[in-house]
Amino acid sequence: GQQLNQSPQSMFIQEGEDVSMNCTSSSIFNTWLWYKQDPGEGPVLLIALYKAGELTSNGRLTAQFGITRKDSFLNISASIPSDVGIYFCAGQGRGGSQGNLIFGKGTKLSVKP
Amino acid sequence: EAGVVQSPRYKIIEKKQPVAFWCNPISGHNTLYWYLQNLGQGPELLIRYENEEAVDDSQLPKDRFSAERLKGVDSTLKIQPAELGDSAVYLCASSSSGYGYTFGSGTRLTVV
Repeated sequence: GQQLNQSPQSMFIQEGEDVSMNCTSSSIFNTWLWYKQDPGEGPVLLIALYKAGELTSNGRLTAQFGITRKDSFLNISASIPSDVGIYFCAGQGRGGSQGNLIFGKGTKLSVKP
Repeated sequence: EAGVVQSPRYKIIEKKQPVAFWCNPISGHNTLYWYLQNLGQGPELLIRYENEEAVDDSQLPKDRFSAERLKGVDSTLKIQPAELGDSAVYLCASSSSGYGYTFGSGTRLTVV
């Protein structure tokens, strides 16, 4: 099935560092979503973006909906050990099958205390 | 508010055996999804229900997979017979009219 291009695949960082990851698509989306998945759990929604150019923050997390509607990025500032996990981007079209979420392959984040 | 509940959490079966997964969505959520997540990959849609109707099952391998959502509430996904390649995590999610997806914890299936 279709998956978005998400990078990097993995990151190893020191506690306190900032993190940036991004997602690109060949298709236009109406909504971009960022999820975090812990081992043995389902993805949990972090941030939802609904408008091209939108910049949204949730605590130490900031995400932006690209102007072209084909990309999005997620930044995590001042990382802490509990940020460890896999981060997924997801794009959503509008209506019918386009309303289904299309996911990236994930960015695995490791934080060294 | 209870989240999306899935059971079992883990299942180990021998190949060619049948297996079923159960999902109870968030109360009031009319849309229910089953996703497949292979190791190291993002989730991929298998089937989407709007109430009791399967409105998108284009990615469901219908030769061995089936699903139902009786009364438009909880849902069951079945595999018969299971193959080694079916080993994966099966995620259920629900939403209200396509917004605010909430995922369950998933069922991790191992076929041996």
